[in-house]
Amino acid sequence: QQQVRQSPQSLTVWEGETAILNCSYEDSTFDYFPWYRLFPGESPALLIAIRPVSNKKEDGRFTIFFNKREKKLSLHITDSQPGDSATYFCAASDGGSNAKLTFGKGTKLSVKS
Amino acid sequence: NAGVIQTPRHKVTGKGQEATLWCEPISGHSAVFWYRQTIVQGLEFLTYFRNQAPIDDSGMPKERFSAQMPNQSHSTLKIQSTQPQDSAVYLCASSLVNSGNTLYFGEGSRLIVV
Repeated sequence: QQQVRQSPQSLTVWEGETAILNCSYEDSTFDYFPWYRLFPGESPALLIAIRPVSNKKEDGRFTIFFNKREKKLSLHITDSQPGDSATYFCAASDGGSNAKLTFGKGTKLSVKS
Repeated sequence: NAGVIQTPRHKVTGKGQEATLWCEPISGHSAVFWYRQTIVQGLEFLTYFRNQAPIDDSGMPKERFSAQMPNQSHSTLKIQSTQPQDSAVYLCASSLVNSGNTLYFGEGSRLIVV
């Protein structure tokens, strides 16, 4: 049972467009939702994160939109650049002392110039 | 300040042999995680230590996989009787303990079982 689901599996956009990456989750106890980015040949690194007290988190060209009722969130990348081409993982963890992150399968983004 | 260090970076092993992977977490981080990365499954959680104690091994295949953290500066993941389906990139990550803290990943150990 996949606790965190991502779509699409792969996405291609043109330079300057907005890329929208989707994520949904099952467990209502999840209260922390980071996105990690993985460039080829490197290791995953934290990009941006949100907690359910907010329905939006913005950091430069990257914005998370969060819908607690529907258990969905999305990552919007505005003015996409070829350097944004990477695999993006949505993750979730619950509160308390369990810091384990459950990851989705990732969305591979390609930005064409 | 060194990040998470994993060795070996690449390992090719024959089917049925044993593979041991090592991880040195960031100094001061008390949580250590092991994940397996494949194209099909993405990042799969394997196991997690907090202050060297095993907390959650729910992702570990029970029969052939084991993990230890004998001291605060290193953890090992051992795979016995390796199978081709064990081929993957094994990622170690460390963090401070509390929920919401960033995981810092190593560069991974790519295991190929032939």
